[in-house]
Amino acid sequence: GQQVMQIPQYQHVQEGEDFTTYCNSSTTLSNIQWYKQRPGGHPVFLIQLVKSGEVKKQKRLTFQFGEAKKNSSLHITATQTTDVGTYFCALCSGGGADGLTFGKGTHLIIQP
Amino acid sequence: DAGVIQSPRHEVTEMGQEVTLRCKPISGHNSLFWYRQTMMRGLELLIYFNNNVPIDDSGMPEDRFSAKMPNASFSTLKIQPSEPRDSAVYFCASSLLAYSNRVAEQYFGPGTRLTVT
Repeated sequence: GQQVMQIPQYQHVQEGEDFTTYCNSSTTLSNIQWYKQRPGGHPVFLIQLVKSGEVKKQKRLTFQFGEAKKNSSLHITATQTTDVGTYFCALCSGGGADGLTFGKGTHLIIQP
Repeated sequence: DAGVIQSPRHEVTEMGQEVTLRCKPISGHNSLFWYRQTMMRGLELLIYFNNNVPIDDSGMPEDRFSAKMPNASFSTLKIQPSEPRDSAVYFCASSLLAYSNRVAEQYFGPGTRLTVT
């Protein structure tokens, strides 16, 4: 099935710095979802992207879907301690309510 | 509204024992998923159900693993016999498929941390 490569695996930033995580696929994706998992917690849905070149914003978070629909990114502006956690991209190879294939995640560590 | 409920939250068992994990999806959701999370392999889909029917169990690692969904409000994941390599956090998730051409977001439960000694 489809797989997605997520980088970096870990990212250390100073509080207030920006953060970006990337997901790349060798095949065209029909959609991509992003989830956040706090330490000791469970994945929580953030957003879904379906259109080529789509850009969506949620406060300090900006999500992009590449023009070729083979890559996606999540950018956080001016990180805060509440942003700590692991950010996953996930894709659904089928349609409807199929299971998700998750990237390995990017662990965001914020140093005050 | 209550989210996805999983029990137990923690399970410690000895190798060879049977383990049963339980999940109650969000009321009204029509899809249910079981995932396993480990440091080495990340989040892996084990099996999922649509309208209580198993659709894809290709992620189930071995015959030792089985899952059932007898009704819309309950599912179990059973491991028999358990092995130390089964130690992981097992998540149940549910979703509502409202439109056929849209992938539904999934709502995860708190997970069951399984330790097999």
